[in-house]
Amino acid sequence: DAGVTQSPTHLIKTRGQHVTLRCSPISGHKSVSWYQQVLGQGPQFIFQYYEKEERGRGNFPDRFSARQFPNYSSELNVNALLLGDSALYLCASSLVGSHSSQPQHFGDGTRLSIL
Amino acid sequence: TQLLEQSPQFLSIQEGENLTVYCNSSSVFSSLQWYRQEPGEGPVLLVTVVTGGEVKKLKRLTFQFGDARKDSSLHITAAQPGDTGLYLCAGLRSGTYKYIFGTGTRLKVLA
Repeated sequence: DAGVTQSPTHLIKTRGQHVTLRCSPISGHKSVSWYQQVLGQGPQFIFQYYEKEERGRGNFPDRFSARQFPNYSSELNVNALLLGDSALYLCASSLVGSHSSQPQHFGDGTRLSIL
Repeated sequence: TQLLEQSPQFLSIQEGENLTVYCNSSSVFSSLQWYRQEPGEGPVLLVTVVTGGEVKKLKRLTFQFGDARKDSSLHITAAQPGDTGLYLCAGLRSGTYKYIFGTGTRLKVLA
């Protein structure tokens, strides 16, 4: 069975540009979460979506937005890119988005570099 | 603000040694997960602990959730080079969908 897939794997952008990252969850998983992992740190929560609705948002500026499609895939958009946005962006899927301890399954991420 | 502090940050040990990694917070979590992440890959879930005082074993790895559900530990017995990686704890805050990740412990096991 396919795991969580993310595209692209690597991306280079310049300051001020925008970027769209894509995530396909494991088949049957309805919840997708996005994380930013800066080099040397643990992942930071950005968004969680469940059944196409935003369930949670981390402390990120409005330049960051996301959406979930009817097939449960998701996109993360970042506008007006800054040098500090350089990071590994991780997508995780789980069966349901709930308050319980649902296991999250991570993709291998998109490495975004801002020049 | 990092709510989950892990210690140590870095650890380099010889094959066969034992080690313990700590994950501490002043906040209460409804559950806590441990992950291992290797370069170029996403984190892989090792275990989820839910009940205060819970102990779970996964082969040579032993995980414990603190009685007050504010801290956790990971103990590895007889470490092997294949254990090398970044170990991350992640807590789920009660009433939210937000997993808070720890600062990470980078482990290197030398053959």
